[in-house]
Amino acid sequence: NAGVTQTPKFQVLKTGQSMTLQCAQDMNHNSMYWYRQDPGMGLRLIYYSASEGTTDKGEVPNGYNVSRLNKREFSLRLESAAPSQTSVYFCASRPARDTQYFGPGTRLTVL
Amino acid sequence: QQQVKQSPQSLIVQKGGIPIINCAYENTAFDYFPWYQQFPGKGPALLIAIRPDVSEKKEGRFTISFNKSAKQFSLHIMDSQPGDSATYFCAALNTGNQFYFGTGTSLTVIP
Repeated sequence: NAGVTQTPKFQVLKTGQSMTLQCAQDMNHNSMYWYRQDPGMGLRLIYYSASEGTTDKGEVPNGYNVSRLNKREFSLRLESAAPSQTSVYFCASRPARDTQYFGPGTRLTVL
Repeated sequence: QQQVKQSPQSLIVQKGGIPIINCAYENTAFDYFPWYQQFPGKGPALLIAIRPDVSEKKEGRFTISFNKSAKQFSLHIMDSQPGDSATYFCAALNTGNQFYFGTGTSLTVIP
């Protein structure tokens, strides 16, 4: 049981490049989340998916898109990366009415 | 606008001391309040959580105190140990499946 896995662990992009962050969970959870963590700001919700086939915006969705590919996988796409998107990105999954389980994070730097 | 306000930003205590971290919220739609512990380079992990119909919850050395009328909740760590040195986040969940996090408290326990 791997829990929540994220790839890649580290990434460096140039301004304007695109990339997709991958997340998968093997706990059969319905809900999945993408957060970004910045110093002094805690974790802020980018997008979430309450169930397969649905996605909703969180606090800071601008510049991002998501895809809930199936129950296991939830990807986050940056179409045109900007330096302001330099951050640590965490994916999380949640059973029906309980807390979240976080992945190990992806550290992204945009130059 | 920060939905969950957390203080202090950092805390240093001696081994055996009782650090206290406080959080406050405004939105009365929040109905689940977890605390997370995060070590450097890792994702947050659930420590303890409470629902608003309970005023206190203990799990081992960790206690949450909850004051519904004041819309405040706090984490107490009894007999703190150097291994408790980490960043702690409070959070709140609304009925729309969204978690809102505090900005985090960096705790250092000195041997």
